[in-house]
Amino acid sequence: EDKVVQSPLSLVVHEGDTVTLNCSYEVTNFRSLLWYKQEKKAPTFLFMLTSSGIEKKSGRLSSILDKKELSSILNITATQTGDSAIYLCAVEAKAGGTSYGKLTFGQGTILTVHP
Amino acid sequence: DSGVTQTPKHLITATGQRVTLRCSPRSGDLSVYWYQQSLDQGLQFLIHYYNGEERAKGNILERFSAQQFPDLHSELNLSSLELGDSALYFCASSSNEQFFGPGTRLTVL
Repeated sequence: EDKVVQSPLSLVVHEGDTVTLNCSYEVTNFRSLLWYKQEKKAPTFLFMLTSSGIEKKSGRLSSILDKKELSSILNITATQTGDSAIYLCAVEAKAGGTSYGKLTFGQGTILTVHP
Repeated sequence: DSGVTQTPKHLITATGQRVTLRCSPRSGDLSVYWYQQSLDQGLQFLIHYYNGEERAKGNILERFSAQQFPDLHSELNLSSLELGDSALYFCASSSNEQFFGPGTRLTVL
């Protein structure tokens, strides 16, 4: 059974701090790893990492995929109170035959940024 | 706004009943995914449709079924509802990465 584990489960920091969130996975027929931010509503897409794109950056957020270690990190620098959210890691794998699209999510990391 | 729409926003019903949740994907997206999010289980993949055909099944109960119509909208049917089915149900659509709709909050009393 596919498995995605995130750590830490919860993190409290002050504005301006840098945080690193971890995601490790065990899946069969890996295709991609995705990071999402979830506030009070639906998850919002952040990054997708694949074998051909193992590092992504957008503003203060960046992510790296380590296919050898079967893991990924999400870095947020100079955190702001608006970064407070649940950060979800998901891995896309083959569901059967030639079909992809099955996402397995980790339990999420709750990030709280205090002013 | 992701471009994915879901109706209704909230649904309250009784045990044993049947409900239908509706999802309209982003323009141009052929894939639709359904997820269930509850406090104890986290976000769980239910089922994936591509251009009207079922492509992948996850942890979907036999009491649940889905379909995708020719206009690409999708419906998730939940029957013989139990208290434990109370959850947020998300739909997502994709051409590459998945974009989530706002969700339907189902409460079974």
